[in-house]
Amino acid sequence: GAVVSQHPSWVICKSGTSVKIECRSLDFQATTMFWYRQFPKQSLMLMATSNEGSKATYEQGVEKDKFLINHASLTLSTLTVTSAHPEDSSFYICSAGRGQGTDTQYFGPGTRLTVL
Amino acid sequence: QKEVEQDPGPLSVPEGAIVSLNCTYSNSAFQYFMWYRQYSRKGPELLMYTYSSGNKEDGRFTAQVDKSSKYISLFIRDSQPSDSATYLCAMSAGFQKLVFGTGTRLLVSP
Repeated sequence: GAVVSQHPSWVICKSGTSVKIECRSLDFQATTMFWYRQFPKQSLMLMATSNEGSKATYEQGVEKDKFLINHASLTLSTLTVTSAHPEDSSFYICSAGRGQGTDTQYFGPGTRLTVL
Repeated sequence: QKEVEQDPGPLSVPEGAIVSLNCTYSNSAFQYFMWYRQYSRKGPELLMYTYSSGNKEDGRFTAQVDKSSKYISLFIRDSQPSDSATYLCAMSAGFQKLVFGTGTRLLVSP
């Protein structure tokens, strides 16, 4: 159990376009989902935390108007990178928490975004 | 000073060796401790989860937490080439917000 999927697994887009990444918890309900960004040979950097039905909480330095997060249901969260630029190229990973008390997060396989 | 310190490696060992991976931390509020394994261009996979101090064993993996020293370890017995990956420690004070180490790259040679 505790499977999290992401779609797409990789995407290439032109500068100025928007890209949407989906994150789904397949076999459990995720009250909280997280979005991370990872640069090569670096650790995960938390971008934002989203709870179902409420606005996401963004980490300091993360532009909320650029990285739009929607947590529409207990099994789906989306990250939209708006007006993407080459510096947004990165590996984006989502994770889902099963609930309070365990603090365990289960990660998706990641989405590699390349902006030309 | 980073909240969580982890040697980036790489750590190279021969097949069958016992591997020791470690993290130190500064925030005494951390109570939940995790180890994740990440293969190249993949998402992290949860290996071990420990609450507070103590040991936990799962197959070839043993996790240790020493809160008095603010030190956690992951031991891998009988290491295999398939264990070659980056190992990330992560910890939390609660409310699911994880703080990650930089990850240690492990290379197990046949």
